[in-house]
Amino acid sequence: NAGVMQNPRHLVRRRGQEARLRCSPMKGHSHVYWYRQLPEEGLKFMVYLQKENIIDESGMPKERFSAEFPKEGPSILRIQQVVRGDSAAYFCASSPIQGAGEAFFGQGTRLTVV
Amino acid sequence: AQSVTQLGSHVSVSEGALVLLRCNYSSSVPPYLFWYVQYPNQGLQLLLKYTSAATLVKGINGFEAEFKKSETSFHLTKPSAHMSDAAEYFCAVSDLVQNAGNMLTFGGGTRLMVKP
Repeated sequence: NAGVMQNPRHLVRRRGQEARLRCSPMKGHSHVYWYRQLPEEGLKFMVYLQKENIIDESGMPKERFSAEFPKEGPSILRIQQVVRGDSAAYFCASSPIQGAGEAFFGQGTRLTVV
Repeated sequence: AQSVTQLGSHVSVSEGALVLLRCNYSSSVPPYLFWYVQYPNQGLQLLLKYTSAATLVKGINGFEAEFKKSETSFHLTKPSAHMSDAAEYFCAVSDLVQNAGNMLTFGGGTRLMVKP
């Protein structure tokens, strides 16, 4: 049973380009969470999605960032017009149910904006 | 609102010495608490979790943590450090409010260094 798969592992974008980060949850998991880890900091919650629904996006920046989890295919975190401050590691986690239990993390996508 | 404070961003111990990583939390509801470990350029791996059962929780790799409600603490310990324990450790709290799912609030992390 494969774990949470994120790709790409490393992504380099020039300022102003778009970045697309993909996350395939563990088999049977319908809840996906995105977190951002800035250098030398802990992880900060960004968004919580279920299939075709955004449940909580209280941690998402108001502009340039969007996320989706379609009925088919991976969850996508999209960052438009990237800036240097977007450079970070972006982690996806998934869980089978809401509430108690744990979330399983992917290995992250490290975005570098040059 | 929840928060997690990890005292000490860097902790250094000698191999074979006791490991103690501190975590204090604030939560308006009974929390679920977690410790994760992150090796360089890797994702997070769950060490252990507290989910309102036994207050002393045993995890992988010889780690354990004790939930102390009166102190709002969930410190991580290991009796004898090994070189392979060198990593970043994160304490996290889960919000059990309806529809919060497993959203986690993380502490800032503690980098554990183990000296030979």
